[in-house]
Amino acid sequence: GESVGLHLPTLSVQEGDNSIINCAYSNSASDYFIWYKQESGKGPQFIIDIRSNMDKRQGQRVTVLLNKTVKHLSLQIAATQPGDSAVYFCAEGGGSQGNLIFGKGTKLSVKP
Amino acid sequence: GAGVSQTPSNKVTEKGKYVELRCDPISGHTALYWYRQSLGQGPEFLIYFQGTGAADDSGLPNDRFFAVRPEGSVSTLKIQRTERGDSAVYLCASSARTSGLDTQYFGPGTRLTVL
Repeated sequence: GESVGLHLPTLSVQEGDNSIINCAYSNSASDYFIWYKQESGKGPQFIIDIRSNMDKRQGQRVTVLLNKTVKHLSLQIAATQPGDSAVYFCAEGGGSQGNLIFGKGTKLSVKP
Repeated sequence: GAGVSQTPSNKVTEKGKYVELRCDPISGHTALYWYRQSLGQGPEFLIYFQGTGAADDSGLPNDRFFAVRPEGSVSTLKIQRTERGDSAVYLCASSARTSGLDTQYFGPGTRLTVL
């Protein structure tokens, strides 16, 4: 079946630096992509989403980029803070069923 | 406002027993989803409801699993004859509607351990 994958399982950054988390997807028919943050012992927390008719969307300290040509999604976090330490999942959706397909996640560690 | 809530937060049971996991979605959300998350993995879809009806149950692993949402709000995931392989975190999410493009908001999950 279709799948969503991640390029890097772990990412360690210095506090204050920018972080970039990458994701590859395989279903060219997907038209909705979401990034979630999951802290230990908690459920996934919505960060930002993007529709397939867009290539960039910005939120507070976060930017999502979508490259449909190479089926690549990225999450950029500006001025990374210790509170950003978590596992980040990308997910794709938009099918008729409405359910999301998640990748395995990238663990972000922020060094003080 | 209140988010998605799930009870219990933890459930330990013995192999072969029956368990029920409860989800209270965000008020007014018509779509409700159940996912299962194994250690180190992303959530995997189980079933979703639009209102009271199960619109898609293709993710349920076998007939030991079923879920209900009798009044279109609270949902219960039921697992019969539990097996050790059922141990995981069971997540519930809700969204305002099922368009495939709506944000899904997750609850904290129920950690199920089958001994």
